[in-house]
Amino acid sequence: RKEVEQDPGPFNVPEGATVAFNCTYSNSASQSFFWYRQDCRKEPKLLMSVYSSGNEDGRFTAQLNRASQYISLLIRDSKLSDSATYLCVVNPQSGGSYIPTFGRGTSLIVHP
Amino acid sequence: GAVVSQHPSRVICKSGTSVKIECRSLDFQATTMFWYRQFPKKSLMLMATSNEGSKATYEQGVEKDKFLINHASLTLSTLTVTSAHPEDSSFYICSASPATSATYNEQFFGPGTRLTVL
Repeated sequence: RKEVEQDPGPFNVPEGATVAFNCTYSNSASQSFFWYRQDCRKEPKLLMSVYSSGNEDGRFTAQLNRASQYISLLIRDSKLSDSATYLCVVNPQSGGSYIPTFGRGTSLIVHP
Repeated sequence: GAVVSQHPSRVICKSGTSVKIECRSLDFQATTMFWYRQFPKKSLMLMATSNEGSKATYEQGVEKDKFLINHASLTLSTLTVTSAHPEDSSFYICSASPATSATYNEQFFGPGTRLTVL
């Protein structure tokens, strides 16, 4: 089983739709969680951290479920500019340092 | 804040030459930087973890003599691809976490270096 798994998609949705991505992780010792966005041929950019209590930033909501070992990202009122690949990142803690683990990414295509 | 730069952004070289890529954290100190490689339409692959003042930790399958990493200061790490071959052509990206980022270890990425080996 891969350490971090994501549905690669693509998710093809119309403008204004609500779309949700899940990401599962296998290391129960994981300490911190993030969603990144990567546009084609560009570097990943931090979208949001994922806190235990869940957090919201405008149209984006992130949730963490430690018991089931998954994190989710919900995008409401999708815009054309949301089209990108969304990467889930999990940081396990090991001996005081950490090695970030990336999912393969979920591709989102928002169409008019 | 939290800006990471990479230089060069693009390089084309002949097979057998060595290429050095610099990664700098511009407005923060980073005790740890990471080097990734990404092939077209593939996920990021961690190559190595670069720690200031010590040897880098390489992921399995990454040749440390091929990919030389130096982390000479808290704001600079370099990756040298030695004797590059066409199969080394890829998008190389570095990332860094602010030394003061205690709990959540957010990473900030450089813009990447696109290497093409002819």
